[in-house]
Amino acid sequence: DVKVTQSSRYLVKRTGEKVFLECVQDMDHENMFWYRQDPGLGLRLIYFSYDVKMKEKGDIPEGYSVSREKKERFSLILESASTNQTSMYLCASRRTGRSIYTFGSGTRLTVV
Amino acid sequence: EDKVVQSPLSLVVHEGDTVTLNCSYEVTNFRSLLWYKQEKKAPTFLFMLTSSGIEKKSGRLSSILDKKELFSILNITATQTGDSAVYLCAVSGQSGGSNYKLTFGKGTLLTVNP
Repeated sequence: DVKVTQSSRYLVKRTGEKVFLECVQDMDHENMFWYRQDPGLGLRLIYFSYDVKMKEKGDIPEGYSVSREKKERFSLILESASTNQTSMYLCASRRTGRSIYTFGSGTRLTVV
Repeated sequence: EDKVVQSPLSLVVHEGDTVTLNCSYEVTNFRSLLWYKQEKKAPTFLFMLTSSGIEKKSGRLSSILDKKELFSILNITATQTGDSAVYLCAVSGQSGGSNYKLTFGKGTLLTVNP
């Protein structure tokens, strides 16, 4: 069964901490994406990567960075967490040229 | 900027009812429209639509696309409590670059009461 795995289901971090959210896929997909999901706002694209070591900003990249050193792993980094980054974070992947994304189960991050 | 609008934003029905969820879009270089179901965790894929007028069907769920009027509907007949979820509509288009990506609507929260 193909999978996108997010390392943590729930996280609580303090304001100012550096936070790493990890995502691993086992489908050999080239493209990977990070979204955040908030009530009333839906899914918003933070960053995406079309291949190893490549990254592009999405619609709301401010306050975030990403790392893609290996094809199967895409990390989202909050350099200095703030309370407005409290959200559900969803990772997704897809094969190049295909429309269907496969999602991870999400990480619910609370910044206090 | 690509835009996807879903309606209604929330809906409460009784088991056995039929529901219709709506999705309209504006996107550059439309490629496909996708429906996902999201319960407590990962959105799971339901349908992908690329051609107008061709209904996709899976059990009690069906969906159709109108590329002229730029909308899609998702129908659920004989609803069950297990259909309670957020239904997401997403459109694949090419905007501001050479690669296609999905733009999501805000979702419709469906609650089916016994």
